Amino acid sequence: NAGVTQTPKFQVLKTGQSMTLQCAQDMNHNSMYWYRQDPGMGLRLIYYSASEGTTDKGEVPNGYNVSRLNKREFSLRLESAAPSQTSVYFCAATRMAGSSYEQYFGPGTRLTVT
Amino acid sequence: QQPVQSPQAVILREGEDAVINCSSSKALYSVHWYRQKHGEAPVFLMILLKGGEQKGHEKISASFNEKKQQSSLYLTASQLSYSGTYFCGTEGSSNTGKLIFGQGTTLQVKP
Repeated sequence: NAGVTQTPKFQVLKTGQSMTLQCAQDMNHNSMYWYRQDPGMGLRLIYYSASEGTTDKGEVPNGYNVSRLNKREFSLRLESAAPSQTSVYFCAATRMAGSSYEQYFGPGTRLTVT
Repeated sequence: QQPVQSPQAVILREGEDAVINCSSSKALYSVHWYRQKHGEAPVFLMILLKGGEQKGHEKISASFNEKKQQSSLYLTASQLSYSGTYFCGTEGSSNTGKLIFGQGTTLQVKP
């Protein structure tokens, strides 16, 4: 049981390049999230998906797109990377059932845009 | 609106207690608490829902005062493993998980 996995772990891009961050979960959780965390800061929600086939914008969606390919996978795409997108990106999967709540994060992708 | 956490940092000796506060200027539906160790992913600790009671397990618990739009995290008889940065995440409407996070409180527990 791997929980939430993210690939790649590290990435360096040049300004203007594109890339897709992959996230997969094996817990059968309905909701998945993409966050970014800048140095010394809290998490900021980029996009989330409440269930397969649905996505919604979070606090900082500009410059990103997402795809909820199936229940397991939720990818984040940077179409034209900018230095301001240098950050650590975390994917999370959540199960909410009544008062029961579980959330697990992936190990993160450390992205540097030069 | 980002919630405000206080204090920004705290240093404890093993066995001492700590309280971390999280205040919002908006009405809240839920408050989530996380701990993050340096270089690692955040770990979910607990969620407090509007109308719910104080929650916790072992020596870490939390309360949620809806009227004051505040939550507090209580760490009792702290252990070295409690060291890290604690974040609250708040949600103003229904339970969708669209959280706004505070800036974090760094806790260091010394032997």
